[in-house]
This record gives sequence, C-alpha cells and structure tokens, in this order.
Amino acid sequence: DVVMTQSPLSLPVTLGQPASISCRSSQSLVHSNGNTYLNWFQQRPGQSPRRLIYKVSNRDSGVPDRFSGSGSGTDFTLKISRVEAEDVGVYYCMQGTHWPPWTFGQGTKVEIK
Amino acid sequence: QVQLVESGGGVVQPGGSLTLSCAASGFTFSRYGMHWVRQAPGKGLECVAFIQYDGSEKYYTDSVKGRFTVSRDNSKNTLYLQMSGLRADDTAVYYCANGDSGSYPYWGQGTLVTVSS
Repeated sequence: DVVMTQSPLSLPVTLGQPASISCRSSQSLVHSNGNTYLNWFQQRPGQSPRRLIYKVSNRDSGVPDRFSGSGSGTDFTLKISRVEAEDVGVYYCMQGTHWPPWTFGQGTKVEIK
Repeated sequence: QVQLVESGGGVVQPGGSLTLSCAASGFTFSRYGMHWVRQAPGKGLECVAFIQYDGSEKYYTDSVKGRFTVSRDNSKNTLYLQMSGLRADDTAVYYCANGDSGSYPYWGQGTLVTVSS
C-alpha cells in the first residue's frame, strides 16, 4: 500500500495567520493517464470528512479561496492563507492513484492558539 | 443534491454480527464504485471495503477479509456491509462514500459500531 505521511501532526495557529500542511507519499502519485490523484479533506469536530481539494490543486465548490493545494510527484502541500475559527479540525491527505487501496495520511489537527 | 445515509450501527458483543446499509440519492448510483471507510475513535480514516459499480469487483482490507461482505442493490440504490466475527478493534464510525476519479467527493454522516461485552 502507498504510505501517506503528513507533517506536522498538530498545528497551533493564530487567527489570521497562514498555515501549511505537508503530505508525502511513498510512491509517485502520477497516474499512467498523467493525472495526479492527491486529495485534501477537512474534518471538523463531530462531522464527516469533507473534500476540499482534488487532483492536487482543484478546489471543490464552496471551498473558500484561502485554501490552496500544490505539489507534484511525492510532495504536496495544503495552505491556508489566513486561518479562521471555522478552519479548526483535522486535515487529511489521500491518494487515489494507486489501487487497491486508496490511502490516507494520519491527519493534521489544526487548532487556534 | 447527493445524499448518502448510513444506518444499522449499534452495540454488539464480540463475535457478533451486524449489517450496515447506505441509501444513496442524487446521483446515478449504478455507475459508481462504492466504498466503506471507517474511523476508529480518535483515529484516522481507513478504506475497509469496495464494490465495483456492477458488483464485479470487490476489495477488503486484510483485517476484515473473511469476516465482512460488501454488496449492493442497484435497483434500491443501496450499499451494504455485512459484518460478522466482530472484534473490539472493529469499533468505529463507518462511512459510505462514492469513489470517483481517485477521490471521495461525497460522504455520508456515518454510523457508529461499538463492539463491547
């Protein structure tokens, strides 16, 4: 299975400040069709996961533009340009290139300082 | 809009059985592979089972092989997960999610399975 490694696992952030989460995969996530299936999910406390980003950098409908994804190959990053209170939760990266199975990172807990 | 509604969770004794259901609406269920993803308390996310859109292919994570069975009824837009031989480490919230282009665009609200004596 492809191992997804996130860092940091805990991220205290001041409101209005930027935040960055790294995700590394044990294999390249470039699919044979040329696409890179790297996703980011947000899970607020007590809620189901919600997809924020797909194929590295595509924001889902309704996702604020303060969220951005970047990266290639095995190294990826989720950035929040200015953290707001509603951004508190756990963020997961997930690869959908290599099957089976699709695999998740361990999660990064974002909290307000 | 897309809705995935899980049901069937509850408290069960070790060794017991439970069947989860996921009712889908708002998309053409019969065209998509479907996944069961679970989350143990305070832990991360793990895909435990998958079924192809027509039932022709199935996947199980190693820890549930031989104990869990995934199935679907496309005429009822419903996904199932039959669980037997339940163990304490199966305790988790179980989510159904549709798989699309290497991603899970939609998730249900989850159903909690607690294995305890």
